[in-house]
Amino acid sequence: DTAVSQTPKYLVTQMGNDKSIKCEQNLGHDTMYWYKQDSKKFLKIMFSYNNKELIINETVPNRFSPKSPDKAHLNLHINSLELGDSAVYFCASSRRELAGGLMAGELFFGEGSRLTVL
Amino acid sequence: GQQVMQIPQYQHVQEGEDFTTYCNSSTTLSNIQWYKQRPGGHPVFLIQLVKSGEVKKQKRLTFQFGEAKKNSSLHITATQTTDVGTYFCAGNWEGYSTLTFGKGTMLLVSP
Repeated sequence: DTAVSQTPKYLVTQMGNDKSIKCEQNLGHDTMYWYKQDSKKFLKIMFSYNNKELIINETVPNRFSPKSPDKAHLNLHINSLELGDSAVYFCASSRRELAGGLMAGELFFGEGSRLTVL
Repeated sequence: GQQVMQIPQYQHVQEGEDFTTYCNSSTTLSNIQWYKQRPGGHPVFLIQLVKSGEVKKQKRLTFQFGEAKKNSSLHITATQTTDVGTYFCAGNWEGYSTLTFGKGTMLLVSP
C-alpha cells in the first residue's frame, strides 16, 4: 500500500491552461504539504495544512490554490499555467511533534508529479 | 525566513572513497533531518538529530549534530554506486512550524 500517493505522475500542458494534482495519504497524519522542486533540485515549501486548515502559505502566486477536503487529502489547483511553473510537485505528510513548539516530524513524500508547461 | 546552507552542491567520487556533506544554520536549530533522493525518485527520510553533539550511525552513514546545534554533517564511508543521489538536510527551528530544506548535495559515484 502506497503511503502517500499523488496523481497524475506526469502532466504536459499548454500555457494558460488550468490543471490539478491530487494527493492522498493513508498514514493517519494530521499535516500535509506541497513542495515544489525546480530543475536545480531545490525543494521549496508551498503550502502546509493541518487538519484541513491552512497553516503555511509561502510566497506563492494566487494562481495556486490548495484544497483539503479532509485530513487525508490535499489537492493543488493551478490556474493560468506559466512556463515557470514547470517543476516536480511533491506532496508530503507528517505527524507534528512537540519540541519547543509544534514542528514537523519525519516527512513522507509522494512520488511526485512532473509538470511541463509548453 | 530561516535557511540552512548546504555544501558542497555536487561531488563526484570513485567507489570506495569517502563522502561528506555539511549543513549550517545561522541560528540554533531545534532539530535537523536528513533525506536522500535517488535520481528520478522522491526524498526519503534517513534520520533526525535532536540533541546537541549527537552522533548516529546507519551502516556506512554517520550523522552528526554540532554542539551549538547550528551545523550538521553526513559522512559516508567507502561509497558504493548505490549511494548515488541527492542528500538534503532539513531544519526545524523553534517557532517555525515547517521544515526548511537545504539545497542538497548531489553525489555521483563512479565504479
